[in-house]
Formats: sequence, structure tokens, C-alpha cells
Amino acid sequence: NAGVTQTPKFRILKIGQSMTLQCAQDMNHNYMYWYRQDPGMGLKLIYYSVGAGITDKGEVPNGYNVSRSTTEDFPLRLELAAPSQTSVYFCASSQQRINEQFFGPGTRLTVL
Amino acid sequence: DQQVKQNSPSLSVQEGRISILNCDYTNSMFDYFLWYKKYPAEGPTFLISISSIKDKNEDGRFTVFLNKSAKHLSLHIVPSQPGDSAVYFCAASAIGNQFYFGTGTSLTVIP
Repeated sequence: NAGVTQTPKFRILKIGQSMTLQCAQDMNHNYMYWYRQDPGMGLKLIYYSVGAGITDKGEVPNGYNVSRSTTEDFPLRLELAAPSQTSVYFCASSQQRINEQFFGPGTRLTVL
Repeated sequence: DQQVKQNSPSLSVQEGRISILNCDYTNSMFDYFLWYKKYPAEGPTFLISISSIKDKNEDGRFTVFLNKSAKHLSLHIVPSQPGDSAVYFCAASAIGNQFYFGTGTSLTVIP
């Protein structure tokens, strides 16, 4: 089992560019999450999904979009990148809400 | 509005002694709490969790205590080991699937 994988590991974007952060899990988990972590801060939930075809907003969804067409994949789309989106992005998955979340290694994104 | 707070950014403890990490929350609807450990340049890894119907959960050297009236939880690590040096995050969730994380406490265990 690879667990939760994220690509890319690092990325530098210019203001206004777009990109998709990829996330995949091979544990057949129902729940998937996207978080961002700013320096010295905790993780903040961007979007989550409770199953294929179902997504919902977290605490900080503005500037992002997600889709969940399969159980395995949960890509995060950034449209019109802004410096405020410079952060480390973590994807996670769990079987149910009250189960532990398994995290990917993160994507470090810088917007200049 | 920070719903989960970890007021101690850092903690240093001698090897073999007890480490106590604290976490406070404001939302009385939280029903599930977790602790994660994070090393630099890695994703968080799960340590231990507790449901709001319990006040204590133990797993080896790790024990989590929940005081609902005070809206406070703590993580005890006994005995502390140098490999425990990491950043520890507490997290909380309510029905509705939102998760809130604290800002983390950096634990250093001194050999």
C-alpha cells in the first residue's frame, strides 16, 4: 500500500496562473480532505469529500475547487493563484469521520 | 476565530520524564478529538484519539485526557524518548465533518 500520495512535492507559480494538486489513496477510504498549513499555524480544512461525487467546503475554501469522480482521487484546483495561497498543502483520507486520517507528504506551493 | 488552541508553542522535557501537552477548545459540539505528531517535511501521523463519551484513552506510552466541562484535553507521554521530539497537533471534529486543528506544540526531549 502506498497510502496517500501527493504530486507535485514542490511548485512555484506566478500570480494569476492555475494548477491542480493531485492526491490519490489506495486504502478504499470514503473520506478525503485537503488542508493547508501556513508557517507557525495549524492545518486549516479547505475542502472535504465523503464519497465519490460528494464534496463540501471546509473552513477556507475561497480560491480553490475540488472534484471527486473516483474513490481514489481527490484533486485540488487553484484558479488565479495569489501570494496568499503560498502554503504547504496536505491531502488526507479516512474510512469514516471518527477514524484516524492518513496524510500525504504534502505539496509546498509558492506563489510569486 | 480559533476553535482549537494550543497555547504553548514549545516544551522541553528530559528523557524518561513525563511530557504533558495541552489543548483547549471552544465548541461544545465537538465529539471527537485526535492528536497528531509531525516531523519536518512530512505529513502528520496519527497518535491517539478520544470520543467525547470518554474521559481517558490509553495507548502504550500515550494517554489522552478529556475534560468536557473545562473544554480541555491533554496528551501525556510517559516515559518521554528523544524520538518523541516533533510538533504535536490536537484536532477536533463535530458532526458535519469539519475538522479544526490547533497551532501545534513543538516538543523537544533532551537525552
